[in-house]
Amino acid sequence: EAGVTQFPSHSVIEKGQTVTLRCDPISGHDNLYWYRRVMGKEIKFLLHFVKESKQDESGMPNNRFLAERTGGTYSTLKVQPAELEDSGVYFCASSQLATGYTDTQYFGPGTRLTVL
Amino acid sequence: DQQVKQNSPSLSVQEGRISILNCDYTNSMFDYFLWYKKYPAEGPTFLISISSIKDKNEDGRFTVFLNKSAKHLSLHIVPSQPGDSAVYFCAASGQSSGTYKYIFGTGTRLKVLA
Repeated sequence: EAGVTQFPSHSVIEKGQTVTLRCDPISGHDNLYWYRRVMGKEIKFLLHFVKESKQDESGMPNNRFLAERTGGTYSTLKVQPAELEDSGVYFCASSQLATGYTDTQYFGPGTRLTVL
Repeated sequence: DQQVKQNSPSLSVQEGRISILNCDYTNSMFDYFLWYKKYPAEGPTFLISISSIKDKNEDGRFTVFLNKSAKHLSLHIVPSQPGDSAVYFCAASGQSSGTYKYIFGTGTRLKVLA
């Protein structure tokens, strides 16, 4: 079974540009999460989808971040325009059941975003 | 305000000995706890979890202990192996928090010396 995949693995952009990160969850997983780790600190929650619906977006830093999950499959996270403080590693995770809070989340390898 | 804390940024242990990693939390509504292991340039890998109805869960060399009254959990690795060298993250979650998001600590870097 394929794990969670993320693309690209690295992205280097200039301040003010736009970047789109993609996440493909494990097949059949209804829950999809985005997290971010900045400067070696804790991994922080950004957003949670259940199928194509946003369940919780309380962690999104501001309206420069836009996440979508069309058709309840893969998800994209767009940053527009990017700022220096957006640099970090963006992780995607997925879990199987739509209602289980004890479901284990499986993480992708992350996308390292550097904003210059 | 950090709800999950890992106060030891690093730990070194001799191969074959026990590694004990600690985690404290402040939110009494958390009822599900996990440990993840992370190698450089990879995503966190699930290691072991425990529900608040238990105080111990074992999986091979890994055991997680939960002390709800102290709001403390620990991960024991016995015996430690060089391949265990990684950053370990403690995470907490809870249905009562209204979402299934994980709250992570800042991680503890474990180095197992051969």
